[in-house]
Amino acid sequence: SQTIHQWPATLVQPVGSPLSLECTVEGTSNPNLYWYRQAAGRGLQLLFYSVGIGQISSEVPQNLSASRPQDRQFILSSKKLLLSDSGFYLCAWGRGARAFIDTEAFFGQGTRLTVV
Amino acid sequence: TQLLEQSPQFLSIQEGENLTVYCNSSSVFSSLQWYRQEPGEGPVLLVTVVTGGEVKKLKRLTFQFGDARKDSSLHITAAQPGDTGLYLCAGAGEYGNKLVFGAGTILRVKS
Repeated sequence: SQTIHQWPATLVQPVGSPLSLECTVEGTSNPNLYWYRQAAGRGLQLLFYSVGIGQISSEVPQNLSASRPQDRQFILSSKKLLLSDSGFYLCAWGRGARAFIDTEAFFGQGTRLTVV
Repeated sequence: TQLLEQSPQFLSIQEGENLTVYCNSSSVFSSLQWYRQEPGEGPVLLVTVVTGGEVKKLKRLTFQFGDARKDSSLHITAAQPGDTGLYLCAGAGEYGNKLVFGAGTILRVKS
C-alpha cells in the first residue's frame, strides 16, 4: 500500500532563518507531488507541483522554493523565512496523468509552521 | 487561473437539520472532488464527480455536479455531530493532474 510521510509535524522558526520541509512517498513510482499551504480553517493554496524528478512548477510568486531530488521525495525550502510564511503546509501525491479524475489526492499529516 | 467559490464559509446547525454547501466557478473542470478535513490532519476524499449532471450518494450525503461542469453541491440530510469538520471542494483542470481548492466550509453540528 502507498504511504506518504511528512515531517516535522510542528516547527517554530525565527524570522530570517532557513526552512526545509521534507515529504516522501512509499509504495508507488513516478507520482505527481504537490505542496499546499492552508490558512487556519480555510482552503488549500497550491504552491508547487512536480510531475517528475527535477520538474517543478510554481503556482504563486513567493518566498519559497521546491525541489524533487528523487522520484518519491519532495522538499519545500526557504532561505529566509518571513512572518507571512506561517501556516499549515501539506504535501500530497497523485497517481498518473489523470490523477484527480480517476483517483484522488493523498495528503500527508501536514506541518504547522510558526514564524516568530 | 481557475477559481472555486465555496459557500457558506461557516455553518452551525442543530442535529437532525439538513444543509447544502455550494461550490461555483466560471471555469469548466474535468472533475470535482469533495474532501473532509479534521483539525491537524490532511483532507480525505469523500467523492469524485466527473460527468455533467452526475449525482452521487454516500449514505446521508448527496453530491451533484452541474450540467456545465462549473459548479457542484454537497447536501447532508439529518446532520449528526460526527459530520462536524471542514468540507472542501476541489476542481481538476483540463489534464486532471492539478487540483484547485475552494475556501472551505466549516460545519458544526450541535447535539
